[in-house]
Amino acid sequence: DAGITQSPRHKVTETGTPVTLRCHQTENHRYMYWYRQDPGHGLRLIHYSYGVKDTDKGEVSDGYSVSRSKTEDFLLTLESATSSQTSVYFCAISGGQATDTQYFGPGTRLTVL
Amino acid sequence: AQRVTQPEKLLSVFKGAPVELKCNYSYSGSPELFWYVQYSRQRLQLLLRHISRESIKGFTADLNKGETSFHLKKPFAQEEDSAMYYCALPYNNNDMRFGAGTRLTVKP
Repeated sequence: DAGITQSPRHKVTETGTPVTLRCHQTENHRYMYWYRQDPGHGLRLIHYSYGVKDTDKGEVSDGYSVSRSKTEDFLLTLESATSSQTSVYFCAISGGQATDTQYFGPGTRLTVL
Repeated sequence: AQRVTQPEKLLSVFKGAPVELKCNYSYSGSPELFWYVQYSRQRLQLLLRHISRESIKGFTADLNKGETSFHLKKPFAQEEDSAMYYCALPYNNNDMRFGAGTRLTVKP
């Protein structure tokens, strides 16, 4: 597996609480992505980063924010978690743009009660 | 807008039978398509990409521009092929759009 870790791997939280998920890479890849995986929807891009402090929105960015202060870390924050954000969250990295192979982390299962 | 459609959520075949996982796309231009696979308790990983035209684990996929399809095929399915398969299409330079996925089960 590429050097990608996600933390925490599992989290249960309550509606209205803030949640931060972390993605850490040791590959020095420029691009980092956050996806959510839901039955019937596949993977949907939330946000991505193309460099330190360079981020942009994906298809389903509402309710999420991201930050990338170092090449190796990409944080996803749910400012006020809602039950609709219960999902499995995947981080991915790639050396180039979306047309390059993406390498995925192990995923974080988030449950919002 | 560019999108990928995988019409089958579930697909079940017997070992040794041919398998075809369908993927249709909408895209204005010359698309570059991918198949990603997620085996049980493993990470999502690239299976193959259109541009490389290679066969991975016996799987092939041909881009049919007339039918706007990129179906994944294998002549003889194996039990270890059981997994979740996603077709994917770059939406722009930085955004990959995935289909809803097809769960393949290969029965002994």
